[in-house]
Amino acid sequence: DAGVIQSPRHEVTEMGQEVTLRCKPISGHNSLFWYRQTMMRGLELLIYFNNNVPIDDSGMPEDRFSAKMPNASFSTLKIQPSEPRDSAVYFCASSRGGGAFPTPTQYFGPGTRLTVL
Amino acid sequence: SQQGEEDPQALSIQEGENATMNCSYKTSINNLQWYRQNSGRGLVHLILIRSNEREKHSGRLRVTLDTSKKSSSLLITASRAADTASYFCATDAPGANNLFFGTGTRLTVIP
Repeated sequence: DAGVIQSPRHEVTEMGQEVTLRCKPISGHNSLFWYRQTMMRGLELLIYFNNNVPIDDSGMPEDRFSAKMPNASFSTLKIQPSEPRDSAVYFCASSRGGGAFPTPTQYFGPGTRLTVL
Repeated sequence: SQQGEEDPQALSIQEGENATMNCSYKTSINNLQWYRQNSGRGLVHLILIRSNEREKHSGRLRVTLDTSKKSSSLLITASRAADTASYFCATDAPGANNLFFGTGTRLTVIP
């Protein structure tokens, strides 16, 4: 298995631009998580999905952030408009949650390093 | 918040020594996990201990859990330079599908 795939790996953009981060979870995993990591705030959970349905988006900083999961193999995190304080590493993770044999272990992608100038 | 806290924040040891990191959390848990993060990479799962377990081993890793004190420790024996990384504990609560990550311990193993 290829593991969790994220793209792009690096993104540099200017303030005010729209940014879209992409994630492909591990096949067969039905839970997907978006995290943000910074030196100041550590690892923050932004939103997570079960079976493509958003379960908890209380970590999404503000309305500029939105996330979708149109199918079991793809999710996006969009920031519009972006601001310099959004600069961080964004991780996607997946797990085999729920069902008869749930597992809490999460598998992380390599992350997208976002820099907003 | 159920977010855990690791102690110490940073630890520097010589290769071959043992490294001990501690984690404290706030509410009841189902499981506690430890993850490692190498610089510039995603987190990687190391070991999981269930709330009814007190100790678990995996290779050079030893994890203990004290639910009465809401704390856990991770011991890495005979450390190697390749163990240099940040280590995070993560807990999941009954009925919840998400994890609560601690603040991490930055381990440096000096060759």
